[in-house]
Amino acid sequence: EVQLVESGGGLVQPGGSLRLSCAASGFTFSTYNMNWVRQAPGKGLEWVSHITSSSASIFYADSVKGRFTISRDNAKNSLYLQMNSLRAEDTAVYYCARDLGEAATGTHYFDPWGQGTLVTVSS
Amino acid sequence: DIQMTQSPSSLSASVGDRVTITCRASQRINSYLNWYQQKPGKAPKLLIYATSSLQSGVPSRFSGSGSGTYFTLTITSLQPEDFGTYYCHQRATFGPGTKVDIK
Repeated sequence: EVQLVESGGGLVQPGGSLRLSCAASGFTFSTYNMNWVRQAPGKGLEWVSHITSSSASIFYADSVKGRFTISRDNAKNSLYLQMNSLRAEDTAVYYCARDLGEAATGTHYFDPWGQGTLVTVSS
Repeated sequence: DIQMTQSPSSLSASVGDRVTITCRASQRINSYLNWYQQKPGKAPKLLIYATSSLQSGVPSRFSGSGSGTYFTLTITSLQPEDFGTYYCHQRATFGPGTKVDIK
């Protein structure tokens, strides 16, 4: 079964840091691009970051650029999101999602998604 | 940046009804428009990718169409389990969502 399991969420003070992890199983992780998507409480979905299968290309939403770092360890079938200088507006459920799109066509569609991990930034 | 809008923002329909949700892009996009369903407290689920391709395991009552800046998701016969919020998506942008309730 293809599965993604996030961990690492929690309560952190403004200005603090947190590292999220996403453990992949049931598929050849090293051959897929991956994404982080977040959802603030009661709000819609916001794409956060994308990393290609070999980590050769990385992209960020403007809202997190310079503060968040996406990375992966293909040997450990794991995806990470290092979040620094956290703000109240970063409070959200963070999902990792496999990207089934094709680089040649510039397509991106996400399946599956993990169950999400909640990050709360508050003093 | 491309902006995505959806209409309606919410709807209530009866079992068996035909439901159509619209997604509009602020500029012409290619045909790679996707649709997701999200139920409360759950992760989004991919329904339709590349405008009209049905994801494996998704019931055939779901269909997608469109081109340019105008796209639709149709549920031909609404079922009780189809409640939730539906999001369109293209590259790094998601629509604001359409909440579907069952009457």
